[in-house]
Amino acid sequence: DAKTTQPPSMDCAEGRAANLPCNHSTISGNEYVYWYRQIHSQGPQYIIHGLKNNETNEMASLIITEDRKSSTLILPHATLRDTAVYYCIVRATGKSTFGDGTTLTVKP
Amino acid sequence: GEEVAQTPKHLVRGEGQKAKLYCAPIKGHSYVFWYQQVLKNEFKFLISFQNENVFDETGMPKERFSAKCLPNSPCSLEIQATKLEDSAVYFCASSPLSGTYNSPLHFGNGTRLTVT
Repeated sequence: DAKTTQPPSMDCAEGRAANLPCNHSTISGNEYVYWYRQIHSQGPQYIIHGLKNNETNEMASLIITEDRKSSTLILPHATLRDTAVYYCIVRATGKSTFGDGTTLTVKP
Repeated sequence: GEEVAQTPKHLVRGEGQKAKLYCAPIKGHSYVFWYQQVLKNEFKFLISFQNENVFDETGMPKERFSAKCLPNSPCSLEIQATKLEDSAVYFCASSPLSGTYNSPLHFGNGTRLTVT
């Protein structure tokens, strides 16, 4: 699976959009981009995934660049409960390889 | 069930003792994955199963770690002769279809193993 690079930490004001970037320059054509988050020490929670097209669900939006070498997770209206570690993963094989993630802190 | 259930939540073992962790995947999910989280953000893949068959064991320490997924039973991860460095949170995840890669993993809340 391709390696991903994320900033170690980000802050966001409550109610504003949180934009979390991820670089995956070595992604292969059949690899999906997945996003998970881990709140405190709970199990990772699935957020969204995509292959080529942008995706949106009730939690977030995923923007994938045309060359697929990077992506951005967008939380449209961040709340304090969105404070967590966010992991970007590219996946083709059965296992998912987690990187170090981005610690997002949403501030009042 | 609709959630991945891991038991116990906490497990304390003296160095050299055996530890056994359990995972009940979501009903209908064919794939089970085990991960080890030692430091806060670092996940290490251990092993995956397709039903009762080992699918990928490239992350498994062969010497002291073993795992099984038997029909009609929770999956298990067993550590013989635990060492201090085995202290970690062990997460189990299940997925309905791993082969297509278009299927997210559903994680349990983990078992925190402390080796003293």
